[in-house]
Amino acid sequence: AQSVTQLGSHVSVSEGALVLLRCNYSSSVPPYLFWYVQYPNQGLQLLLKYTTGATLVKGINGFEAEFKKSETSFHLTKPSAHMSDAAEYFCAVSQGNNAGNMLTFGGGTRLMVKP
Amino acid sequence: DAGVTQSPTHLIKTRGQQVTLRCSPKSGHDTVSWYQQALGQGPQFIFQYYEEEERQRGNFPDRFSGHQFPNYSSELNVNALLLGDSALYLCASSLPGLGYSTGELFFGEGSRLTVL
Repeated sequence: AQSVTQLGSHVSVSEGALVLLRCNYSSSVPPYLFWYVQYPNQGLQLLLKYTTGATLVKGINGFEAEFKKSETSFHLTKPSAHMSDAAEYFCAVSQGNNAGNMLTFGGGTRLMVKP
Repeated sequence: DAGVTQSPTHLIKTRGQQVTLRCSPKSGHDTVSWYQQALGQGPQFIFQYYEEEERQRGNFPDRFSGHQFPNYSSELNVNALLLGDSALYLCASSLPGLGYSTGELFFGEGSRLTVL
């Protein structure tokens, strides 16, 4: 079984400040890890993914995340927040090809950006 | 290139009724998954269709059923609706084959179901 925990259902930062959204996972096999973003009244859009190889992955809109196996974490960061980053962010895990794309999502973190 | 499209975007039903939601996958994708996203929560996996068969299923009752057509489009059916079925239903498609994928899903904008 696999699970995802996102620490903090709401995170508020000032425009220009560092964004840090936390994600911890559990998986019995090497995981594939994802961050998705959801804007109001829209579906989910992939920000970035880790499958194998380099543990620091870069995504769209200046976001990046680092896979830390020893900590079972995949935290999402962005050096400088923009107002347009305000959205709901979901961390997700799959068991790669063995699970045929089935994703297990965390509960989400709502990012608010103050001017 | 059209992405994943879902219909209807919004609908209201009453308890006990039945609902059908529709999804067309992204061009070139043959696998369709359905997720339920309750208000304030992350999406939960309902089931996945590939080659017109249900391949995987999450922890949802038999009231939830689906179908995939030869053109890869899919339907989600929910019978005997309960108030707790109110949610955003998301369809996602992925690259060909269950065994060929990095797990990336492409999501539609969802169908918001309200059960009164």
